[in-house]
Order: sequence, then C-alpha cells, then structure tokens
Amino acid sequence: NAGVTQTPKFRILKIGQSMTLQCTQDMNHNYMYWYRQDPGMGLKLIYYSVGAGITDKGEVPNGYNVSRSTTEDFPLRLELAAPSQTSVYFCASSLSPGGSTEAFFGQGTRLTVV
Amino acid sequence: DAKTTQPPSMDCAEGRAANLPCNHSTISGNEYVYWYRQIHSQGPQYIIHGLKNNETNEMASLIITEDRKSSTLILPHATLRDTAVYYCIVRVPNRDDKIIFGKGTRLHILP
Repeated sequence: NAGVTQTPKFRILKIGQSMTLQCTQDMNHNYMYWYRQDPGMGLKLIYYSVGAGITDKGEVPNGYNVSRSTTEDFPLRLELAAPSQTSVYFCASSLSPGGSTEAFFGQGTRLTVV
Repeated sequence: DAKTTQPPSMDCAEGRAANLPCNHSTISGNEYVYWYRQIHSQGPQYIIHGLKNNETNEMASLIITEDRKSSTLILPHATLRDTAVYYCIVRVPNRDDKIIFGKGTRLHILP
C-alpha cells in the first residue's frame, strides 16, 4: 500500500523562488492536510481540504496556496520563498467514506530556503 | 489552540510500562480522544482512539476516566523504539475538519 506519498523528499530553494510540494494519497480519503514542523517544534496546520474543490486555511497559511482538483492530490504552492519557510512539511489524509477516521501521514519534505 | 495538556517530557525504563497522561478537561460529549506519535523526524503515526470506553490494540491501551476529562496512553512493555513525541488530540470524527496538534510529550526510553 502506498498510502500518502510526498515529493520531493528534499529541496533547497533560493529566496524568491517558487515551488510546489506534491502530495497524493491512494486511500480514497476525503480529508487532506498540510503541516509544517520547524526544528524542535510541533506541527502547525497550514491548509486543509474536506473534498475536491474545497480548501480552507489552517493556523499558518500566509505565504502558501493550495488546490484540490482531485480526491487524490493536494499540492502546496510556495510563491516567493523566504528563509522563514525553511521547515519540514508533512501531508496527511483521513476519513475514508464510512470507514476509519485516523489520519495517515507522508514521510515529509525537507525544505531549506537560502 | 489545542484542547489538551500534556507533560513536556517523560522517562521510562525499557521493559516497563510507559503511562502517558493527557488532560482534556473541556472535552465535549461527542469528542473522541486520539493518540499519535512521531518518531524522530518521521511523519506522525496513529496509535489508538476512543470515546469513553477503554480501548486496546496491538500497540497500546487507552484508559479514559469516567468523567472523560483526562486519559492515559499505556505502552505495556516499552522498548527503545518507542522513544518518540506522543500527541493527544480531541476531535469529533467525521465532523471536525481540522486536526490541531499540541506540543506533545517527549518520551525517553532508558536502556
């Protein structure tokens, strides 16, 4: 089972560059989430989605954008990278229709902005 | 803000039971208690969840007090591989959209 897959695993960006972090899940989950985790800190929710075409802000949305055109994919876009966005980014999904409610996480994307 | 309070860190001897407490004094009647853990820098991993009855699975047991204002996650025979940050979260499944993490408890298993 693939579960939640994130790409890339590592990336170094220069200040002002843009990039898209990819996330895909094969569990037919309705809900998807993006978190960031700074060194030694807990997870902060950036954006989440309760279904295709629906997205909403989390705790720390500034500097990011998301889209949810399909159930499987939930990409996270950084438009103008800043050093403050250096972090580990985790994607998660949950809620299969009529099924389990626990969240499954990807292995993370480690992003450094220099 | 997270609706739970956990001690920042705990130690447990290898082979002993690790008992991790969580306070959720404002929990509402339809909110479940979920536990996740994060080993080193990996993605968090689901452990167990419950509403009011005690729950047990192959990883752990969850004990919820009768008034549901607190709970304890029990790892019955802790190993070094259980060293991780453990997060307690309350939410209503199938309704609460967001999953908000608190600071968790950093569990150190001592050899």
